[in-house]
Amino acid sequence: DAGVIQSPRHEVTEMGQEVTLRCKPISGHDYLFWYRQTMMRGLELLIYFNNNVPIDDSGMPEDRFSAKMPNASFSTLKIQPSEPRDSAVYFCASSLALGMNEQYFGPGTRLTVT
Amino acid sequence: GEDVEQSLFLSVREGDSSVINCTYTDSSSTYLYWYKQEPGAGLQLLTYIFSNMDMKQDQRLTVLLNKKDKHLSLRIADTQTGDSAIYFCAESIRWMNTGFQKLVFGTGTRLLVSP
Repeated sequence: DAGVIQSPRHEVTEMGQEVTLRCKPISGHDYLFWYRQTMMRGLELLIYFNNNVPIDDSGMPEDRFSAKMPNASFSTLKIQPSEPRDSAVYFCASSLALGMNEQYFGPGTRLTVT
Repeated sequence: GEDVEQSLFLSVREGDSSVINCTYTDSSSTYLYWYKQEPGAGLQLLTYIFSNMDMKQDQRLTVLLNKKDKHLSLRIADTQTGDSAIYFCAESIRWMNTGFQKLVFGTGTRLLVSP
């Protein structure tokens, strides 16, 4: 398997624009996670899905952020409108099952909002 | 709270041992983990320890767990320049009434290994 795939790897956009980040989890994994990493706040869990259903979105910063998982092989994280404080690296991760199972991280999308 | 704390930076010479420390908050954590992040990449699981263990050794890596003090450490023997990376401690905590144990990550310790 190619691992967790994220696109784009880098995104530069202007404040107010809509940004869509994409993720393809590892085939067969039941869980998908979206994280955000910044120097100030470290690694934050934004939302996770189980079998395509959002389970907990309490980490989503505000209504400007939304995430979907229309099928088992694709998820999006959308920011509309984007703001400079959204600049961060966004990671998608997937895992096979509940409990301890290892989370496999994608390479991340580095988002810069000017 | 869900705070996992680590020192931010550690510098060692090649061949020395590195010890990265972490304190966590949830005494009911079933597993504790060490993840490694290399530049420009996502996190990768390095090792983990089950909460009923005190120590786990895996080649150059030794994990020590002190449940009383909620202290976790990662020792890397014979540290190499290729070990330079950010190391994250993480604890699993039970998420509400689900069976899922979400991970709470520390801030990460940047390890710099000089020749």
